[in-house]
Amino acid sequence: DAKTTQPTSMDCAEGRAANLPCNHSTISGNEYVYWYRQIHSQGPQYIIHGLKNNETNEMASLIITEDRKSSTLILPHATLRDTAVYYCIVRAYNTDKLIFGTGTRLQVFP
Amino acid sequence: NAGVTQTPKFQVLKTGQSMTLQCAQDMNHEYMSWYRQDPGMGLRLIHYSVGAGITDQGEVPNGYNVSRSTTEDFPLRLLSAAPSQTSVYFCASSYGQGVGPLHFGNGTRLTVT
Repeated sequence: DAKTTQPTSMDCAEGRAANLPCNHSTISGNEYVYWYRQIHSQGPQYIIHGLKNNETNEMASLIITEDRKSSTLILPHATLRDTAVYYCIVRAYNTDKLIFGTGTRLQVFP
Repeated sequence: NAGVTQTPKFQVLKTGQSMTLQCAQDMNHEYMSWYRQDPGMGLRLIHYSVGAGITDQGEVPNGYNVSRSTTEDFPLRLLSAAPSQTSVYFCASSYGQGVGPLHFGNGTRLTVT
């Protein structure tokens, strides 16, 4: 399983876009990039995933570089409720074994 | 729609005691799994199941047993609790192995003294 590297923490002003980077330089061709977040001590919440194309849903956008070695999760208008730990995970298409790592702690401030 | 439901939310055990952590999902998901999360660490996979009657070990299976008699339920048993099993336990499910995102419960906080 490919490993990911994320900054330990980030700050973002409320209403601004939050851009969370992730490095996955050893990703292989059949591995998807998934993003989850964990608010307080709740269960992780799925945000978005992608293989090589950029993806957007009601929560966020995912930008994957052409070489697939890195990606960025974008929360377009961060709110205080977006304060959480964000995990970037690479996962092969045929497995649910998720290696979470330690994630990025995003603090949204007023 | 309840999603993934875990009970109890909190539990304190003494060393050597046994207990079962319950997990139920109402989404007709074939795949279910158990994770533990320790302070400062990510989630580690304990056991998983790809369907009723089928279970397999994850990264840290020692000290835990599971069974899957129905699609909906996937209990995790601690036969003889140890302080090293103090952790937060999460159950998760998805449509099938590798298909779609995992849906997580809100966890069980277990303390073993």
